[in-house]
This record gives sequence, C-alpha cells and structure tokens, in this order.
Amino acid sequence: AQRVTQPEKLLSVFKGAPVELKCNYSYSGSPELFWYVQYSRQRLQLLLRHISRESIKGFTADLNKGETSFHLKKPFAQEEDSAMYYCALSGTGQAGTALIFGKGTTLSVSS
Amino acid sequence: AAGVIQSPRHLIKEKRETATLKCYPIPRHDTVYWYQQGPGQDPQFLISFYEKMQSDKGSIPDRFSAQQFSDYHSELNMSSLELGDSALYFCASSLVGSGDETQYFGPGTRLLVL
Repeated sequence: AQRVTQPEKLLSVFKGAPVELKCNYSYSGSPELFWYVQYSRQRLQLLLRHISRESIKGFTADLNKGETSFHLKKPFAQEEDSAMYYCALSGTGQAGTALIFGKGTTLSVSS
Repeated sequence: AAGVIQSPRHLIKEKRETATLKCYPIPRHDTVYWYQQGPGQDPQFLISFYEKMQSDKGSIPDRFSAQQFSDYHSELNMSSLELGDSALYFCASSLVGSGDETQYFGPGTRLLVL
C-alpha cells in the first residue's frame, strides 16, 4: 500500500537549533517525493522535490531508498520556519496522479 | 508568475444546499487536482483531470462531481451538503510531460456548512 508516515506531530525547537523532520514512505515503484509547507492553513507551498536536489530556505532533503526515507533537515532553525510541513509522495508514469500526504508535522521555533 | 486561482475564497452554505467551487490553473497547465483538507487533517485527494478527461479518482463522495473545461479551468460541484463537508478545498495544477510535474496549489476555498 502507498503510504507516507510522519512520526512526529509536533516538533518544538529553539531558534538556531538544528531541525530534522522525519518522513518514511511505502511505495512499490519509484515514487517522487516532495515536501510542502503550509503557514497558518494557507496554501500549500512546494518546499522541495527530491528530483531537483536543491536547497530552499536552508532546507535540504535526501531520498534514501534503502531506508525509504525523505527526511527534511535544516542546520539552524529560524522563527519564520514555524509552520506545518507535509511530506508527500506521487507515483510516476500516469498523468494526474494524486499526491499522498503524510499527517504533517508542526514545527514551532521559539527564541 | 501567475498562480492557481480559486473562487470563491470563502463560502457559507446550509445543509442540503449545493455549492460550486472553481479553479483556474496556472497558464499552460493541463492537469488539475482537487483536495479536501478537514480541520486539523492532512489534504485528501478527491479527483484529477488531464486534458479534460478524468485521470485519477480518490475519496470523492458520490454527491460531488467535477469537470475540466476546454479552457482547462475546473469546477467542483457539491450537492446535498452535509456538516462534514466543511473543509478547505484546494485545487492544484501541473503540466504533464514538462519534466517538472510538480503540483502547484491554489489558496483554497474555505467551505462552511451550517
């Protein structure tokens, strides 16, 4: 079954601390993995996709196929990083394939 | 750059009424997706369209229907509304075959059913 697991519902850190938001997935083929961020129930904004291997706002994520993980990391958290983060998976090969979201992790960064 | 547009932004309806939500994809995008996000929930996929044909179907109730028009905009029609339909409804769009099939989301329509 296709599934995305984000084990932490809430992650609370101090400003300047490292952050790691965990994401594990289950998928039989070769999925595309994404991280989306949502501020105060606004629109979902793409943060990262594993194919592009880029760093956005200091965040990085590496796809580990052996561990079926796509953890999101940032070395120094900022207060403006406080938001809901969703890991999502999409199958490949068919137009219009749905995104499967994890339950989300709320990141709270305080000073 | 132009983004996904959804209208209305907010909608209040009563039980058993109908509602129509509209989505205008990013220009040149050919695929639209509808998601429902209940309070405190993750987004749940409802349905998608590619080149005006239904592409994928998720947990969309039979009371809901959707279509994509020739200009690629999409409408989600909801009938016999129930209290549990109160949610944020997102539309997303993508361009198939572009090498970047990332789904870009609109601001959502917040539906409240009383």
